[in-house]
Amino acid sequence: AQSVTQLDSQVPVFEEAPVELRCNYSSSVSVYLFWYVQYPNQGLQLLLKYLSGSTLVESINGFEAEFNKSQTSFHLRKPSVHISDTAEYFCAVRRGYSTLTFGKGTMLLVSP
Amino acid sequence: DARVTQTPRHKVTEMGQEVTMRCQPILGHNTVFWYRQTMMQGLELLAYFRNRAPLDDSGMPKDRFSAEMPDATLATLKIQPSEPRDSAVYFCASGSTLGRGVYEQYFGPGTRLTVT
Repeated sequence: AQSVTQLDSQVPVFEEAPVELRCNYSSSVSVYLFWYVQYPNQGLQLLLKYLSGSTLVESINGFEAEFNKSQTSFHLRKPSVHISDTAEYFCAVRRGYSTLTFGKGTMLLVSP
Repeated sequence: DARVTQTPRHKVTEMGQEVTMRCQPILGHNTVFWYRQTMMQGLELLAYFRNRAPLDDSGMPKDRFSAEMPDATLATLKIQPSEPRDSAVYFCASGSTLGRGVYEQYFGPGTRLTVT
């Protein structure tokens, strides 16, 4: 069965600093991995996804994640964060044909 | 722009009352998901539908919860009777199968339910 572990429940950083949000997964089948972002009082939005091909995937707002099969990881990174990146970030793995298993989430807190 | 809509956005009710939450998926999407989000459990899948047929509702307490899709533009989640432990944010999401399953789920803004 697929599962997702997000090792940090909260990550505080200063503005313009780099950040890495960690995600490890377990899956016995082909892996499709996702990062979603949830801003306060909103629903989840897809940030980026890995389906196949290049192991490095990027989002339009500067985030990137690398699929590492040997380490069963899909960590999310950004070289320089903004205040507006403050949100909760969820890693997910596709389970079965369509459903997702989500991690517990990591709250990214960016301060000036 | 196309988005998933949910009503109501907030609901406060007393224990024992019936609660109905509604979701309008994105036009053309054939798969609808219901999730519940709490601090303790995180995001849990309650049920999902494809082409209006329920495929999996194993995450849903059967005795009090029910989910239906009366037509392609409306999905409902009903709790009867409601209990304080049902207090949570309920999300609807929709997606489109592309031959090999849903690759992207689009979430609605959620219904924040408080049962007193």
